[in-house]
Amino acid sequence: QVQLQESGPGLVKPSQTLSLTCTVSGGSISSGSYYWSWIRQPAGKGLEWIGRIYTSGSTNYNPSLKSRVTISVDTSKNQFSLKLSSVTAADTAVYYCARGIGQLANWGQGTLVTVSS
Amino acid sequence: EIVMTQSPATLSVSPGERATLSCRASQSVSSNLAWYQQKPGQAPRLLIYGASTRATGIPARFSGSGSGTEFTLTISSLQSEDFAVYYCQQYNNWPPLYTFGQGTKLEIK
Repeated sequence: QVQLQESGPGLVKPSQTLSLTCTVSGGSISSGSYYWSWIRQPAGKGLEWIGRIYTSGSTNYNPSLKSRVTISVDTSKNQFSLKLSSVTAADTAVYYCARGIGQLANWGQGTLVTVSS
Repeated sequence: EIVMTQSPATLSVSPGERATLSCRASQSVSSNLAWYQQKPGQAPRLLIYGASTRATGIPARFSGSGSGTEFTLTISSLQSEDFAVYYCQQYNNWPPLYTFGQGTKLEIK
């Protein structure tokens, strides 16, 4: 059973870049025809899809965040990563990584990122 | 962008009763619709995909229906562990953008 685990700083200063990594275990990130996604959830609010990367490396981003988001994959480490630039307090949220073809069948436990000086 | 609208925002139901949750898409998503359950402090859990297919390990009391723009999640006989927030998500192929509904909180009556 594949497992995903987010990691990265829990506190980021305004205007800086948020960087998170999702480590995949129990299977190769390169195997199968899966998309690897990032989703976020502000406290007490709903889910917002940030973007996804395919095993080939192709990416799709939420248009509302596209200018600030980069998702990349490191197959040698079985990881994929999120970078979100020029963060503000509005980017404070729990960030999840997930795997899915369309539906998101496997999720990490989530990591809280707070944007504050 | 396809907008997903869930109703009601909060649903109060007694254990053992049936719960019916709705999700509407602003344009057709065919059957590219999933339902998730989220409990406090936990990641969402996939319940239904393809509008009506239960995910692995999901009890038969959960069922999904609909296509196009109107979808329903039904929980036939509510158990105590079913009280949670439920989200729908569309994953239509074009544009390649996933969107979630705002959620329905299912609470004990």
